[in-house]
Amino acid sequence: DQQVKQNSPSLSVQEGRISILNCDYTNSMFDYFLWYKKYPAEGPTFLISISSIKDKNEDGRFTVFLNKSAKHLSLHIVPSQPGDSAVYFCAASLTGNTPLVFGKGTRLSVIA
Amino acid sequence: EAQVTQNPRYLITVTGKKLTVTCSQNMNHEYMSWYRQDPGLGLRQIYYSMNVEVTDKGDVPEGYKVSRKEKRNFPLILESPSPNQTSLYFCASSPENQETQYFGPGTRLLVL
Repeated sequence: DQQVKQNSPSLSVQEGRISILNCDYTNSMFDYFLWYKKYPAEGPTFLISISSIKDKNEDGRFTVFLNKSAKHLSLHIVPSQPGDSAVYFCAASLTGNTPLVFGKGTRLSVIA
Repeated sequence: EAQVTQNPRYLITVTGKKLTVTCSQNMNHEYMSWYRQDPGLGLRQIYYSMNVEVTDKGDVPEGYKVSRKEKRNFPLILESPSPNQTSLYFCASSPENQETQYFGPGTRLLVL
């Protein structure tokens, strides 16, 4: 049973436009959500996170939105740049030292 | 430089030949974990450790062993590798707050 779902395996966006990556989760007990970015031949790197007590967190060009009632979060990248081309993983966790649960990832291609 | 290192980065082996993938972090992190990444399946946790001598199974522990004798090291042991363990493996560490994990560069394993 997949608790964190990224239903779009890939996404193509033109440079300068907005990229929106989506993530759905099934466990309403998740209270912390993260996005990781992964380039080929490298490990994932932390991008941005959000606590369940918030509905939005912004860091430069990256904004994460959380809709708890819909069990949905999204990552917005504005404006998109070619260097943003990577695989993006959504992850969720429960309070306490419990393992992160990752989605399958979405491959973003930003076209110049 | 704060980092997570893994060795080897690439490994080709044969079925049944025991192997160890080392992982080391220099950030004095409490929490360490191992993941495997497979096409279409995303990142799946194999084992994690919340502190020295404390380890626990993740989502896909079968066929793997780990040990945490020192805080900085968390080796992954495949006692009798099989072809279905061909994968890309990542080690990660984080402070006591385990949400934000720092990943190593990955180890690509091929079991023939």
